[in-house]
Amino acid sequence: EVQLVESGGALVQPGGSLRLSCAASGFSFSTYWMHWVRQAPGKGLVWVSRIKGDGSSITYADSVRGRFTISRDNAKNTLYLQMISLRAEDTAVYYCVRDYYDMRDYWGQGTLVTVSS
Amino acid sequence: DIVMTQSPLSLPVTPGEPASISCRSSQSLLYSNGNNYLDWYVQKPGQSPQLLIYLGSNRASGVPDRFSGSGSGTDFTLKISRVEAEDVGVYYCMQPLQIPFTFGPGTKVDIK
Repeated sequence: EVQLVESGGALVQPGGSLRLSCAASGFSFSTYWMHWVRQAPGKGLVWVSRIKGDGSSITYADSVRGRFTISRDNAKNTLYLQMISLRAEDTAVYYCVRDYYDMRDYWGQGTLVTVSS
Repeated sequence: DIVMTQSPLSLPVTPGEPASISCRSSQSLLYSNGNNYLDWYVQKPGQSPQLLIYLGSNRASGVPDRFSGSGSGTDFTLKISRVEAEDVGVYYCMQPLQIPFTFGPGTKVDIK
């Protein structure tokens, strides 16, 4: 059974840092693109970043480029999102998403990041 | 960036009746391989989004056949042939053709 379990969300002050993790199981993690998608409270979905299975290709939304870093450890079957210089507008539930041959077919349950003083 | 729009934004439905949601993109989602790069997702209350339709018209695994996707280029439609109570939620279209991937604003479907 495919599972994606996010963790690491917390309350953090503006300007602070946080690292999110997404533990994957039930599939050959290293062969899949993975994404982070976020959803501010009561709002819609926003794509954040993606990474190729071997980590060789990475892209970001303009709103997070230079502040967020996506990475993965295929030996640990884990996806990461390192976030620095956090802003109030980064407050959201962050989902990790598997990308399988033109399907974004599995989403985690999400982890909540709250940026507030 | 490709801008995605949806209509209506709110859709009260009657169980057993059909329902339809429109999604439009600011650029064509038809790629040179003949595929339309358009996904449909539903986010049921309190849950993560789940994939319904990919490449414009392909149902994801486990999705009931009352859901169908159609369209090409810039105009797409999600149809529910007979709405069931469990179908309530927010429906999003998304284009995975061009970075950044972009979502429509969502259509909230609820029971009349």
